[in-house]
Amino acid sequence: NAGVTQTPKFRVLKTGQSMTLLCAQDMNHEYMYWYRQDPGMGLRLIHYSVGEGTTAKGEVPDGYNVSRLKKQNFLLGLESAAPSQTSVYFCASSAVLAGGKTDTQYFGPGTRLTVL
Amino acid sequence: DAKTTQPTSMDCAEGRAANLPCNHSTISGNEYVYWYRQIHSQGPQYIIHGLKNNETNEMASLIITEDRKSSTLILPHATLRDTAVYYCIVRVGSKSGANNLFFGTGTRLTVIP
Repeated sequence: NAGVTQTPKFRVLKTGQSMTLLCAQDMNHEYMYWYRQDPGMGLRLIHYSVGEGTTAKGEVPDGYNVSRLKKQNFLLGLESAAPSQTSVYFCASSAVLAGGKTDTQYFGPGTRLTVL
Repeated sequence: DAKTTQPTSMDCAEGRAANLPCNHSTISGNEYVYWYRQIHSQGPQYIIHGLKNNETNEMASLIITEDRKSSTLILPHATLRDTAVYYCIVRVGSKSGANNLFFGTGTRLTVIP
């Protein structure tokens, strides 16, 4: 199993450009998450999904959109990138245990995004 | 979710036990204590979690006080590869919706040769 993978690993954008970050997991997990991490800070939740076709806002959703068209993929889009979105982006996934409780989260390696 | 308080940084000699404290004085009865670590900007790695009882796995032990207001993560024999930022997180095990984790700034553990 590859676990959680993220594409691309690095990207530099100019202000106003758009891009999509791809997260893929091969563990058949129901839940998927997008976080951002700024220098010296902990992770902050952007959006999450509790299943195919569903998404929800996290702590810092402004300026981002997400889609979960397939269970194994979770896309994070930046429609008009801003320098404030320079960050490292982490994707995670988790399973649903018996009884409906969620399992621990497994993280991808991250995408380093710089917006000039 | 209950807020957690951790020391900003700690050092530990290689081969010795590393004891990382966490205060969560406002924790409620159904909130779990989770520990993750992040090695040099890699994705966070799950270590262990618990509710009331002490827990142990192949990576670490988690000691939760009887009043559940604090806990300690123990790495029994720290190695240089354990140098990382350790996050203590308190989160309700949600039956519906995602088990969202709220990360603070964690404790930067440095294992010294």
